[in-house]
Amino acid sequence: EPEVTQTPSHQVTQMGQEVILRCVPISNHLYFYWYRQILGQKVEFLVSFYNNEISEKSEIFDDQFSVERPDGSNFTLKIRSTKLEDSAMYFCASEFSAGNTIYFGEGSWLTVV
Amino acid sequence: GENVEQHPSTLSVQEGDSAVIKCTYSDSASNYFPWYKQELGKRPQLIIDIRSNVGEKKDQRIAVTLNKTAKHFSLHITETQPEDSAVYFCAAYILGGGGADGLTFGKGTHLIIQP
Repeated sequence: EPEVTQTPSHQVTQMGQEVILRCVPISNHLYFYWYRQILGQKVEFLVSFYNNEISEKSEIFDDQFSVERPDGSNFTLKIRSTKLEDSAMYFCASEFSAGNTIYFGEGSWLTVV
Repeated sequence: GENVEQHPSTLSVQEGDSAVIKCTYSDSASNYFPWYKQELGKRPQLIIDIRSNVGEKKDQRIAVTLNKTAKHFSLHITETQPEDSAVYFCAAYILGGGGADGLTFGKGTHLIIQP
């Protein structure tokens, strides 16, 4: 079964550093998402991306966050200047079209120290 | 925006008994309600979903019911087994919303199956 893949699985970074989390969505999918889950809490929507632009973003997705699909396969989340509270599991997800099953990647665990 | 409330936060049942997890949503435009199972440190996995044109859906030991008028939906697991132990999240979504909003998740229910 096709899968959404994410790298790295775990990253430790110092506060203030930039981080890029990478995702390869399922190949024929058109909608892409990033979600965040702080340890022990619910999964929270960050941003959706369709047709090479952001469709929707939550209030969590402030100016320090950006997304990009640089080469038609990778979908990246960049955090410009990390804060301690950015420590969380970041899940990438993709969907063939609006209204189909959303498939999640295994997650990238980000620890900011 | 949408708000999803989920109860209980923790549910402990004896193996073989049934478990019920309940969610309510606020946005009447939501029309798709998936349930995810998340084991510790792993990704959420879709286990069942229901659309608003259906009141109930069943898949083996798992069923979901939806009451659109009351804006609540529930997950029912019968004949629970140890491998059902996990955190379960409900979610609400607007299909065909155009803006491709993300899923709004509930806070999760930690289901513990006691042997």
